[in-house]
Amino acid sequence: DGGITQSPKYLFRKEGQNVTLSCEQNLNHDAMYWYRQDPGQGLRLIYYSQIVNDFQKGDIAEGYSVSREKKESFPLTVTSAQKNPTAFYLCASSNREGSLNYGYTFGSGTRLTVV
Amino acid sequence: QQQVKQSPQSLIVQKGGISIINCAYENTAFDYFPWYQQFPGKGPALLIAIRPDVSEKKEGRFTISFNKSAKQFSLHIMDSQPGDSATYFCAASASGGSNYKLTFGKGTLLTVNP
Repeated sequence: DGGITQSPKYLFRKEGQNVTLSCEQNLNHDAMYWYRQDPGQGLRLIYYSQIVNDFQKGDIAEGYSVSREKKESFPLTVTSAQKNPTAFYLCASSNREGSLNYGYTFGSGTRLTVV
Repeated sequence: QQQVKQSPQSLIVQKGGISIINCAYENTAFDYFPWYQQFPGKGPALLIAIRPDVSEKKEGRFTISFNKSAKQFSLHIMDSQPGDSATYFCAASASGGSNYKLTFGKGTLLTVNP
């Protein structure tokens, strides 16, 4: 089955530590996205990438970094510079071409907690 | 600047009732309006979507109503069921732009009481 796989499902980070969230898709989608979800805040865009080796900052990129070395993979690193990283992180992908319902496909998310 | 405003923030409906969630947008270049449904601990899933060349789209119990002149669109859930209890997000994008990126509303937590 085609889809997006995020891992791990739960992640705990110590103060001052960098952690990397994995996102892999086998949908052959060109674009990939990272969102952060906090209660009452909706979905806030961290980074997005439309093609391999290119990515753009979203609305809340500070304290995060990404890479897009392969079409299928778009890992997100939460650095120690991100002072409030506890949140639910969602990865998504999409095609730029397509029919009315081409939308986004989301992964199941990673819940990151600072301990 | 919030480009897609969603209301209400939360909604409680009795089983069998009609749930209505509203969204308003500012960018007249938006031409794709999807709704997503999210259950706790899961990622959002595409529920239904509409383009502005039609004023209404229906899929089963879910209907999108679109008012281009008012720059508003809404989701109606008929005969609401407890299994519909979830968070719903509206979104919008401009497919003719240089990038394809959805702008989301802040979400509505729907609770359907049995």
